[in-house]
Amino acid sequence: GAGVSQSPRYKVAKRGQDVALRCDPISGHVSLFWYQQALGQGPEFLTYFQNEAQLDKSGLPSDRFFAERPEGSVSTLKIQRTQQEDSAVYLCASSLGGGNTDTQYFGPGTRLTVL
Amino acid sequence: EDQVTQSPEALRLQEGESSSLNCSYTVSGLRGLFWYRQDPGKGPEFLFTLYSAGEEKEKERLKATLTKKESFLHITAPKPEDSATYLCAVVDSGGSNYKLTFGKGTLLTVNP
Repeated sequence: GAGVSQSPRYKVAKRGQDVALRCDPISGHVSLFWYQQALGQGPEFLTYFQNEAQLDKSGLPSDRFFAERPEGSVSTLKIQRTQQEDSAVYLCASSLGGGNTDTQYFGPGTRLTVL
Repeated sequence: EDQVTQSPEALRLQEGESSSLNCSYTVSGLRGLFWYRQDPGKGPEFLFTLYSAGEEKEKERLKATLTKKESFLHITAPKPEDSATYLCAVVDSGGSNYKLTFGKGTLLTVNP
């Protein structure tokens, strides 16, 4: 079946612009995660949803970052007033259940470049 | 704080030359250790989950093993298509039961 999809795949923003990144998880997956991957680094956790509830946002770097999953399916990560340090690949992952080390399946990521 | 250290940072092998990648971890309690493969421009692709010391899992030319302090990913007779970055991640039972903490990865290049 279809995997996790993300759009856009590439985004270039001028410093100060707002951006919105979309994630379509695997159908029926309860859990959804956002990670940030800087060049040459492993992914770092940003936030976690179980259905529509955001249960953990401890990894969001600042209050400029906001994520939502209003109907428990598609999720959007929004970054306001982008800064150069926001440049990274943003990965979305989904898993079938509500935690308990269920396998997380990743999308291809959105590469954000802030000029 | 959870820590995951992978070594070497980069490894270059000739086709057919077997080797191992290392992942050492520090957690208050291990709920699971995950291996992923990441190709350039793509998201991580799941390979294995290990839960307890002594556990082993195999898939084609790859075999993952786990001890109380580290995991090894053994690659037997690698082929050029095995070239990728291999990522190790842990879930700590002392914290959330879902948050993956990743190492920086090992970049594997297999030359024909």
